[in-house]
This record gives sequence, structure tokens and C-alpha cells, in this order.
Amino acid sequence: EAGVAQSPRYKIIEKRQSVAFWCNPISGHATLYWYQQILGQGPKLLIQFQNNGVVDDSQLPKDRFSAERLKGVDSTLKIQPAKLEDSAVYLCASSSFLTQETQYFGPGTRLLVL
Amino acid sequence: KQEVTQIPAALSVPEGENLVLNCSFTDSAIYNLQWFRQDPGKGLTSLLLIQSSQREQTSGRLNASLDKSSGRSTLYIAASQPGDSATYLCAVFQLGANSKLTFGKGITLSVRP
Repeated sequence: EAGVAQSPRYKIIEKRQSVAFWCNPISGHATLYWYQQILGQGPKLLIQFQNNGVVDDSQLPKDRFSAERLKGVDSTLKIQPAKLEDSAVYLCASSSFLTQETQYFGPGTRLLVL
Repeated sequence: KQEVTQIPAALSVPEGENLVLNCSFTDSAIYNLQWFRQDPGKGLTSLLLIQSSQREQTSGRLNASLDKSSGRSTLYIAASQPGDSATYLCAVFQLGANSKLTFGKGITLSVRP
């Protein structure tokens, strides 16, 4: 079984630029999560999708962050414009509908904003 | 609001030592608790998952215990090796309208040869 795929693995941008991250969850997993992990912190949930609908986006900075999961499979997370404090690892995870308590994590995208 | 605490933030031990990593959480209404390992620049690897009805889980040199009523969990690593050097994160899962996994900040372990 293939795991959660994310790309790119690394990204360096200047502040005020835009960036997008991509995630392909495990096949058949209905639930997809995006987490932000700042250095020295635990992952913080940004947004949770159930199929292509948003379940929880209470901690997503909606003035600059957006995410979509149009066909209920792949997802993209976008930051526009980026700030210095957005430097972090962005982790994608997925879980099946019946076993939501077990999340499988991708390798993450490390973002550095200069 | 659930809060997960892991203290200390960093730990350095000599190779071969047995060690205990601690985790505490404020809301005991959890569905399960997981311990993850994170290597530098990498994603999260699940080590052990304890259901709320269980007291402990074991995998190789790792043993995790859960005391739900007191809001505590420990991860015991026997005979530590330099390859165990990583950050260990504790996370609790709560079921509800918005099922949620809440993480601690992690403990960065360094095992000296």
C-alpha cells in the first residue's frame, strides 16, 4: 500500500510570494488533514477534509491560506502572500472513514520564507 | 480545550541506558493516545497506539503506558541506542463532531555512543 505523498519536499521563497503544496492521500482514505509544524512545536491542525468537504478549518489563517480537495482525492494548500512566520514543515495526513483514529502522515514539505 | 505537555523538551543519555519519556494531557476524555517518532526533516512515524481502554502497549524495546484518569502516559525505551536519537511526540485523539488529534511539542532525545 502506497503511503501519503507530498510535493515538493523543500521550498524556499521570499516574503510576499505565493507557494502551493500538494498531497496525495492513501487510496480510499476519505479524510485528509493539513498540519503546520513550526520548529520546536508539535503539529497544529490547519484544515480537515471529509471527501471534498471541509470539516474543520478553525485554525487556518484564511486571509492568506487556502486549501482545496476538489475531487475528494488530492489536495493543495496555498499560501498567498507568505510571511516570515509561515516558515515551517507542512504535513499532510489521511485516514479512512471507519478508522479515523489512525492517521497516516506524509514526509512533509519544509518551507523557508526569507 | 485539550492540551498535551511533554517535559523536558530535550534529553541526552549515554548509550545502553533505559529511559522514560513523559506525556500529560488535560482532558481525560480521549479515544486513544499515540507516540510518534520524528527524525530531522522527516514526517511522523507511529510507534505505539494505546486505546483508551488499554493500560499499555509494547513493541520491541518500546513500552507505552496510559493512565487515562490521571492524564498521563509514559514511553519506556530499553537499552537505548544512538539510532534512537530523534524527537518523540505524544498525541491524543478525541472523537466528536470534529474528531481531533492534539500533539505535544515533543521531546528531542540524543543517545550518546
